[in-house]
Amino acid sequence: EAGVVQSPRYKIIEKKQPVAFWCNPISGHNTLYWYLQNLGQGPELLIRYENEEAVDDSQLPKDRFSAERLKGVDSTLKIQPAELGDSAVYLCASSLEVASGGSDTQYFGPGTRLTVL
Amino acid sequence: AQSVAQPEDQVNVAEGNPLTVKCTYSVSGNPYLFWYVQYPNRGLQFLLKYITGDNLVKGSYGFEAEFNKSQTSFHLKKPSALVSDSALYFCAVRTVNFGNEKLTFGTGTRLTIIP
Repeated sequence: EAGVVQSPRYKIIEKKQPVAFWCNPISGHNTLYWYLQNLGQGPELLIRYENEEAVDDSQLPKDRFSAERLKGVDSTLKIQPAELGDSAVYLCASSLEVASGGSDTQYFGPGTRLTVL
Repeated sequence: AQSVAQPEDQVNVAEGNPLTVKCTYSVSGNPYLFWYVQYPNRGLQFLLKYITGDNLVKGSYGFEAEFNKSQTSFHLKKPSALVSDSALYFCAVRTVNFGNEKLTFGTGTRLTIIP
């Protein structure tokens, strides 16, 4: 079974440029997450989708970050414009059930390492 | 505040010796606890989780963890370390804030197995 797929794996851009990351979750997984991981830190949740609905975007910096999951399967996270401080690894994860009460295992993709110059 | 703590940034263990990576938590109610491992330039790989039931949880690659409610701990253990176990380990706990549930991760422990 294929795992969570993310692309690109690496991205280098100049500040003020836009950038987008793509994620395809494990087949059949209804819940999708985007995390930010700074160097030497644990991942921090940006947004959580249940099917196509963003049920928790409270930690997404909405002035420059946006996300979508139009058909409830794959998802795109966008930053426009990027800032130097956005350099980090962006992880996507998915889990099977919508209403599992938080007990479901989240499976992570390999991440996209963003460098903003 | 609901959180999880990994008190050691770095743990070094000789190959073949038992290893322990420590984790303590602070949540209201019954905790859901998870361990993940991260290899260089890779995403997080799930090792094991405690939801309910037996306090000793067995997971992937020979790892296990013991849930201790009185000490609010969930330490990761392995009887005999391998060089290939060298990686970054994250403990995580389910937290609920204003009705939004999520995984809150610790800062990670870098485990180095010395040949």
